[in-house]
Amino acid sequence: AQSVAQPEDQVNVAEGNPLTVKCTYSVSGNPYLFWYVQYPNRGLQFLLKYITGDNLVKGSYGFEAEFNKSQTSFHLKKPSALVSDSALYFCAVSSAGGTSYGKLTFGQGTILTVHP
Amino acid sequence: EAGVAQSPRYKIIEKRQSVAFWCNPISGHATLYWYQQILGQGPKLLIQFQNNGVVDDSQLPKDRFSAERLKGVDSTLKIQPAKLEDSAVYLCASSLVGRAGIAEQFFGPGTRLTVL
Repeated sequence: AQSVAQPEDQVNVAEGNPLTVKCTYSVSGNPYLFWYVQYPNRGLQFLLKYITGDNLVKGSYGFEAEFNKSQTSFHLKKPSALVSDSALYFCAVSSAGGTSYGKLTFGQGTILTVHP
Repeated sequence: EAGVAQSPRYKIIEKRQSVAFWCNPISGHATLYWYQQILGQGPKLLIQFQNNGVVDDSQLPKDRFSAERLKGVDSTLKIQPAKLEDSAVYLCASSLVGRAGIAEQFFGPGTRLTVL
């Protein structure tokens, strides 16, 4: 079975500082990895995805994520955080192999708070 | 481009009552998903449709939950009878047809269900 772990329930960072939200995964076969963001009372919004190719993926709002196969990680990063980045972030995984073919599995989420 | 529409946005019912949620996906999106998001957790896939056929309903509690997608467009999710543990946000998402697990999903705002 595939799974996602987001080891930090909360991340706090000062505005202008770099931010990292951590994610590790477990799948059978090659992973497809996603980051979504959820603002209060709104649905999830897609940020970026890794399917294949370059390990550094760039997405919306200046976010990027680095795929590390040996560490089975897909950490979300941003060089300079904004107060408006404060939200709930979800990492998700699917794969083309195993019994969970094509199914998206989400982590439990990380609350990011950016302080002015 | 209009997003995924869901209604109602909020619903309060008593246990053992019935409830139904409606979803209208983005035009042209053949794949439709229903997720359950319990407070403090990531979304959990309940059922996935490709056009009007079910692709995955392995995590749908079929003794009380049912879903249909007539004509491959709108979908309804029903709970009958509801239990206290069904209190959650029910999210609908849609995506374009593509290799399974690769296409990004677009989420609606969700329906917050409270079972008393």
